[in-house]
Amino acid sequence: GQQLNQSPQSMFIQEGEDVSMNCTSSSIFNTWLWYKQDPGEGPVLLIALYKAGELTSNGRLTAQFGITRKDSFLNISASIPSDVGIYFCAGQLDDKIIFGKGTRLHILP
Amino acid sequence: ETGVTQTPRHLVMGMTNKKSLKCEQHLGHNAMYWYKQSAKKPLELMFVYNFKEQTENNSVPSRFSPECPNSSHLFLHLHTLQPEDSALYLCASSQSGTGGYYGYTFGSGTRLTVV
Repeated sequence: GQQLNQSPQSMFIQEGEDVSMNCTSSSIFNTWLWYKQDPGEGPVLLIALYKAGELTSNGRLTAQFGITRKDSFLNISASIPSDVGIYFCAGQLDDKIIFGKGTRLHILP
Repeated sequence: ETGVTQTPRHLVMGMTNKKSLKCEQHLGHNAMYWYKQSAKKPLELMFVYNFKEQTENNSVPSRFSPECPNSSHLFLHLHTLQPEDSALYLCASSQSGTGGYYGYTFGSGTRLTVV
């Protein structure tokens, strides 16, 4: 079946550092989505990407839809304590959304 | 209220109990979903409803019984659960016919503990 490989699984960074995470798949997707899940809450949509090569920003977040339509990355610049949480990538195809396993972001004081 | 609301937020139940989880969305969506999120596991899709009709059941044990009385409400009825069923249960909705093209909107989840 379709699978998304999300990496890294977890990250420990210092406040103020930039963060990069990515997702790859053997399948081509129509849409790439990035979600963030705060502790004890449901995932919240951060960025949606609809076109191969598209680069979209949302504040300190930047995400790109890979040219091959099989991958996407998310960058967070100048991390702050509230960036802590789990980041999920998701690909949409054939009336389904497939989720990655998540990247758990920890920020050291 | 707006968005997707799930109640209760926390639930502790014994293995012989019967309880229900409720999900309500005020977004005008017609597709609703139940997901299970266990520690250190990916999101597991359980059920999908489109226009109140169940369109997907991902081999979920019969001790989980969904109900969708209308496009705004979704329930998950629980009975004789096992400790391994303890997890965060997430409800989501989307505009039917888009296949999630614009993403799903999630509720805050119900943290279920089976003792």
